[in-house]
Amino acid sequence: DAGVTQSPTHLIKTRGQQVTLRCSPKSGHDTVSWYQQALGQGPQFIFQYYEEEERQRGNFPDRFSGHQFPNYSSELNVNALLLGDSALYLCASSFAGQGYEQYFGPGTRLTVT
Amino acid sequence: RKEVEQDPGPFNVPEGATVAFNCTYSNSASQSFFWYRQDCRKEPKLLMSVYSSGNEDGRFTAQLNRASQYISLLIRDSKLSDSATYLCVMGGFKTIFGAGTRLFVKA
Repeated sequence: DAGVTQSPTHLIKTRGQQVTLRCSPKSGHDTVSWYQQALGQGPQFIFQYYEEEERQRGNFPDRFSGHQFPNYSSELNVNALLLGDSALYLCASSFAGQGYEQYFGPGTRLTVT
Repeated sequence: RKEVEQDPGPFNVPEGATVAFNCTYSNSASQSFFWYRQDCRKEPKLLMSVYSSGNEDGRFTAQLNRASQYISLLIRDSKLSDSATYLCVMGGFKTIFGAGTRLFVKA
């Protein structure tokens, strides 16, 4: 049973650039959530996708956008990167009908220089 | 006030000790709560789900007090492998994580 996978594992970008992160959910899951985790902090909710639509959004600017594909995989896009965007980006998948239990992928560590 | 607040830690305990973490939440309407553990530079892993008054799984017991809006996690007979950060989570469409409590179990 494949778990949640994310790519790439690590990424280094320059301020002002754009980045796309990818996530494949756990088999049987149809909902994908994205989180940003800064060092020493808990994960911060960015947004959640279900049925290819953004269902909920946290307190993140419009520079953060996403997409969900028919196979339930998802992308997170961040435009005009800032130094403060450096963090671990986590994807979590869940099944809409199972009380929000989420399972996380290993994350993508983004460094903005 | 933060939506989910946890004991800041770190907690340093010897092997075999019992340790308890507390967590308070702000949304009285929230129906689901979770505890995750996170090892250094790894992803959070689901430890326990708490939907009613509590849940028990081996050495781990979670309790929910809706009147006081807090959740607790009790770890009995601590093992070295329990050393990690424990994250309290308020579930829902906007899942809210606490900042985490670090636990160090020493031999």
